[in-house]
Amino acid sequence: DGGITQSPKYLFRKEGQNVTLSCEQNLNHDAMYWYRQDPGQGLRLIYYSQIVNDFQKGDIAEGYSVSREKKESFPLTVTSAQKNPTAFYLCASSNQGGGTGITDTQYFGPGTRLTVL
Amino acid sequence: GIQVEQSPPDLILQEGANSTLRCNFSDSVNNLQWFHQNPWGQLINLFYIPSGTKQNGRLSATTVATERYSLLYISSSQTTDSGVYFCAPGGYQKVTFGTGTKLQVIP
Repeated sequence: DGGITQSPKYLFRKEGQNVTLSCEQNLNHDAMYWYRQDPGQGLRLIYYSQIVNDFQKGDIAEGYSVSREKKESFPLTVTSAQKNPTAFYLCASSNQGGGTGITDTQYFGPGTRLTVL
Repeated sequence: GIQVEQSPPDLILQEGANSTLRCNFSDSVNNLQWFHQNPWGQLINLFYIPSGTKQNGRLSATTVATERYSLLYISSSQTTDSGVYFCAPGGYQKVTFGTGTKLQVIP
């Protein structure tokens, strides 16, 4: 089946630890995204990537890092520099408009709930 | 970036009722996405609509790009329609989401 997978579903972290959230897609999409959602809030963009080996900061990139070594994978690392990391993290992907920069609709994974103990 | 406002923020419906959700955006957009987030957090795309009207079963969406708004219509609501509805301008890498409309459909 085509889609986006995220793992783990639930993640617990001690203060001061780095953790990495996995996002994999088999939709052959060029663009991938990471969002953070706090309770009762909308989605805020952390990082996005249009092509392999390239990524851009979103609105709240501080304390996070990403890599895009493969088209199908876009892992997110929550570092100890992120002061309030407890949140729901969503990964998405979309097609690109052939270099025009215009993206197609986004498809989302099921999310990872991160809790800092 | 483009600012997005959604209204109403909260909505409670009796099962079978109809409703209209609104999304206003601050600048012209290439496209407009509507999503439904279920109670387990999964976001499902409903519509990707630059202008005009699209229908999918009991749901339909209308985007009036020149006036910078989009409407989502839900007819004959069901309890499974409960959740949060988000709109977001599509067609850009840096996509901004509205804060959503939380819908509760009661039997």
